[in-house]
Amino acid sequence: DAMVIQNPRYQVTQFGKPVTLSCSQTLNHNVMYWYQQKSSQAPKLLFHYYDKDFNNEADTPDNFQSRRPNTSFCFLDIRSPGLGDAAMYLCATSRDRGRGNEQFFGPGTRLTVL
Amino acid sequence: AQSVAQPEDQVNVAEGNPLTVKCTYSVSGNPYLFWYVQYPNRGLQFLLKYITGDNLVKGSYGFEAEFNKSQTSFHLKKPSALVSDSALYFCAVRDLIYNQGGKLIFGQGTELSVKP
Repeated sequence: DAMVIQNPRYQVTQFGKPVTLSCSQTLNHNVMYWYQQKSSQAPKLLFHYYDKDFNNEADTPDNFQSRRPNTSFCFLDIRSPGLGDAAMYLCATSRDRGRGNEQFFGPGTRLTVL
Repeated sequence: AQSVAQPEDQVNVAEGNPLTVKCTYSVSGNPYLFWYVQYPNRGLQFLLKYITGDNLVKGSYGFEAEFNKSQTSFHLKKPSALVSDSALYFCAVRDLIYNQGGKLIFGQGTELSVKP
């Protein structure tokens, strides 16, 4: 089945130690998103890629970076994780930027910062 | 600016009874509305969407939603609740101003609890 895959499902890192979260998709969608979700709150968009075009949200801290080496993969890099970065990180895809297109979410990576 | 509100943090329903999870929206222009469900420690699953057309939208797992333009609402409904429907439900609207990328604006979520 076509899907969005996130690895790892659970990630533990130390305060200040860089961490990378991975997302892959078999849907061949053009758009990939990264969301941060804390404690059953609404997901908060960090940034998205439309093909190779990177679009950052205005309030996303510089500590968060992303890479999309090809259509299938997208990475979230947290350069120096703080305790406040502990959250669920959700990757999502969309066929294109059409307004009626739904987003398909991966299972998420739960990040713990010690 | 586009926004959605889910006025109830929690909804409790007995199994077999109808359920409603409420959502109201505020947009300039035509709304593009979505419902997602999230089970514990899982990603969001798409349930249904309203773009245009019939006000009653049918979606996955027996859910439906009624779009009401005059009341600016998009309530999620199911005729007969199951215990397995217990989850966190999010209403979302597509940000029409930010139309490059299709940013979703989520409500704060409603925890649905269905008891046997």
